[in-house]
Amino acid sequence: EAQVTQNPRYLITVTGKKLTVTCSQNMNHEYMSWYRQDPGLGLRQIYYSMNVEVTDKGDVPEGYKVSRKEKRNFPLILESPSPNQTSLYFCASSTPGEQYFGPGTRLTVT
Amino acid sequence: QKEVEQDPGPLSVPEGAIVSLNCTYSNSAFQYFMWYRQYSRKGPELLMYTYSSGNKEDGRFTAQVDKSSKYISLFIRDSQPSDSATYLCAMSAMNSGGSNYKLTFGKGTLLTVNP
Repeated sequence: EAQVTQNPRYLITVTGKKLTVTCSQNMNHEYMSWYRQDPGLGLRQIYYSMNVEVTDKGDVPEGYKVSRKEKRNFPLILESPSPNQTSLYFCASSTPGEQYFGPGTRLTVT
Repeated sequence: QKEVEQDPGPLSVPEGAIVSLNCTYSNSAFQYFMWYRQYSRKGPELLMYTYSSGNKEDGRFTAQVDKSSKYISLFIRDSQPSDSATYLCAMSAMNSGGSNYKLTFGKGTLLTVNP
């Protein structure tokens, strides 16, 4: 089954404690991206990757890092999380024009 | 002016009603238009995908694009309680590199279909 998986699905952490949210896709897509979704603000792109070792900033990259060492994986790294990064995060994997979203990771930073 | 405007609703209709959801946009370079459905606590899933202007029909769903008015619509016929979800419009343009991966989303419209 074609899918995008994310882990963990839920995470509560404290300010400043580094964390990584993993994302994996089994569709051999080159393009992957990370979004955050906040009430009243909608989906906003954090980072994207066109291929292995090729990443670039989206609309709201501050406070986040990504890496793309393998085609299937695209982890999101928060080096020093802050409360304003409390949000619902989605990883997506794409063919041209069609994005497939993961189930989401709900992150709370206290 | 925001690139993509979508009325957040909420929209509440009785079962069997025809639902009309709309988005307007300002970027005339947008050529690819999508509608996503997002159930509570789930990721968005692609519902309809349209290139340029015109209509596209898939079962009870019809997507319309009017590029001259910069206006897109999603119609749901014979709406069902299972259609209750947030509907997101999304758009993209072909970039200088020849790809159209970058999507710009509307904020979503919350739809409830009451039995």
